[in-house]
Amino acid sequence: DGGITQSPKYLFRKEGQNVTLSCEQNLNHDAMYWYRQDPGQGLRLIYYSQIVNDFQKGDIAEGYSVSREKKESFPLTVTSAQKNPTAFYLCATQYRGGVGEKLFFGSGTQLSVL
Amino acid sequence: QQQVKQSPQSLIVQKGGISIINCAYENTAFDYFPWYQQFPGKGPALLIAIRPDVSEKKEGRFTISFNKSAKQFSLHIMDSQPGDSATYFCAARGSNYKLTFGKGTLLTVNP
Repeated sequence: DGGITQSPKYLFRKEGQNVTLSCEQNLNHDAMYWYRQDPGQGLRLIYYSQIVNDFQKGDIAEGYSVSREKKESFPLTVTSAQKNPTAFYLCATQYRGGVGEKLFFGSGTQLSVL
Repeated sequence: QQQVKQSPQSLIVQKGGISIINCAYENTAFDYFPWYQQFPGKGPALLIAIRPDVSEKKEGRFTISFNKSAKQFSLHIMDSQPGDSATYFCAARGSNYKLTFGKGTLLTVNP
């Protein structure tokens, strides 16, 4: 997970509150991804971005929002519309060009509801 | 709709034994099949990967076997060690470089 910084490591959300998870990378990778991990459920794609100022919904985008204003940053906001936000959130990056399939993951943020 | 089915959910192996994890997929457009290893509290890391034009790939103690006609692939860990204890995810790449992950296998290697 070197080169990808996710913060905070632990986050607590109150009812009706929006919270933002940070993901910063210094790998100069073009593509960035947000995954949600629930026990026994694998990794599910929330949003992804292949280039600055552009992003696409993944499989479970409802209740989440993202922005990609800088190449290095891809913050994820968990809105109050996400009724079951408790999960481990993983940010990943991917190099574009050459053999670009490898995903590099951060160390994750554990989000819990108070 | 689960496009990549992984089994078993958990696996216990003795030190020195062989660990085998299986995955099956449905989408014939998948063109890249990686395995990721995840330790508790950490993000996954790429372990080994294969493309569908080869039937086997080996890296050290880790081997992927790929059966295109059966739409199945598996991870074999030879001489399993306690340090291999982790969660393993298979995945498959479809359009737009998106990866679809299996649900994971928790491997425990007893000393």
